[in-house]
Amino acid sequence: DAGITQSPRHKVTETGTPVTLRCHQTENHRYMYWYRQDPGHGLRLIHYSYGVKDTDKGEVSDGYSVSRSKTEDFLLTLESATSSQTSVYFCAISTDIINQPQHFGDGTRLSIL
Amino acid sequence: QQQVKQSPQSLIVQKGGIPIINCAYENTAFDYFPWYQQFPGKGPALLIAIRPDVSEKKEGRFTISFNKSAKQFSLHIMDSQPGDSATYFCAASPGGFKTIFGAGTRLFVKA
Repeated sequence: DAGITQSPRHKVTETGTPVTLRCHQTENHRYMYWYRQDPGHGLRLIHYSYGVKDTDKGEVSDGYSVSRSKTEDFLLTLESATSSQTSVYFCAISTDIINQPQHFGDGTRLSIL
Repeated sequence: QQQVKQSPQSLIVQKGGIPIINCAYENTAFDYFPWYQQFPGKGPALLIAIRPDVSEKKEGRFTISFNKSAKQFSLHIMDSQPGDSATYFCAASPGGFKTIFGAGTRLFVKA
């Protein structure tokens, strides 16, 4: 398995609180992604990173921010969590050769009450 | 125009059968079509991918068929096994980072 660790694996929090999810990789891959997975929607891209401090928005970026200060870490922050952000969040990585998600972490199940 | 439509939502086949999952797209700018396999509690894993300059690609028991004129592509699993029971996602990308996923197909292979 690709060396991707997501933390926490499960989290329950309340509406209005900030939440940060962490993705850590040991593969030294340049590209990293955050997706959310919801029934009937497949996976939808939230943000992605093409290098340290280089990030851009995906198709569902509203209410989310990201940061990448080191190659190995990509953080996703929900600035003020809402119930519509209850989802399973996946981090993914890919090499320089292909800028499509190749390896995914095992996800963070986030519930916002 | 950015959607990828996947069918069926779920599929049950007998061991040894050949499940077929279909996907359709509208955006002619898509030039990379991957398939992902996901087991419960795990993240998706890239299974196989095709570019539109070929009509078919095989990797082991998995085959992608691609019809550029119809804007459709499909996944066939030969000699399916109970261990193939998973959710399968098709996807499409116009290049760059923004891959669009289908809604997924839950496959169950009966022993």
